[in-house]
Amino acid sequence: ETGVTQTPRHLVMGMTNKKSLKCEQHLGHNAMYWYKQSAKKPLELMFVYNFKEQTENNSVPSRFSPECPNSSHLFLHLHTLQPEDSALYLCASSWTLGQGLLSGANVLTFGAGSRLTVL
Amino acid sequence: EDQVTQSPEALRLQEGESSSLNCSYTVSGLRGLFWYRQDPGKGPEFLFTLYSAGEEKEKERLKATLTKKESFLHITAPKPEDSATYLCAVQALGGSQGNLIFGKGTKLSVKP
Repeated sequence: ETGVTQTPRHLVMGMTNKKSLKCEQHLGHNAMYWYKQSAKKPLELMFVYNFKEQTENNSVPSRFSPECPNSSHLFLHLHTLQPEDSALYLCASSWTLGQGLLSGANVLTFGAGSRLTVL
Repeated sequence: EDQVTQSPEALRLQEGESSSLNCSYTVSGLRGLFWYRQDPGKGPEFLFTLYSAGEEKEKERLKATLTKKESFLHITAPKPEDSATYLCAVQALGGSQGNLIFGKGTKLSVKP
């Protein structure tokens, strides 16, 4: 396996179900992210993990619960979702941004996404 | 507020018909501007990073340029396989790790 792998690729769930999305990166990166892509909207950052520690929660509702057991794996646990949560959920990874103005910018490598439909 | 606007929303070209995609941005200090390509059913694929005004980068039929307010993605003699949605994103100097501000994208269709 290479790059960033997401499973499942498609998921249909009812509003009372509990499910999880899984992401694995094979690039040796130390930062991982969850992004949400809804129709007609830009990609939105949800969560950031650096060296397994959550460093950002972008005001995401508690019905989305991330877990990062190590630098290569990232999960998104889903419970009591709403139909408006239907979207493509993208996992990404990168090197941790260095300090200072000359430290470059984050080049994110994305997975293929998990298409979630909430009925 | 940091913001990215891409135009046009959709662009239909004939094979070989060159054109440009626009990305206008407002950011409180630019750390980097990114171009990604996204095919249907797939995640975004990295194309370029630009850091400062005047910078240009090329890859095959694509050339990205950057000014202080906008970036262009020039497509020279496109082929049908260039059909995809092209996403522009910026990262602010004060922005947190991995926090890219994306535009809505330009959907490019190239007909043979």
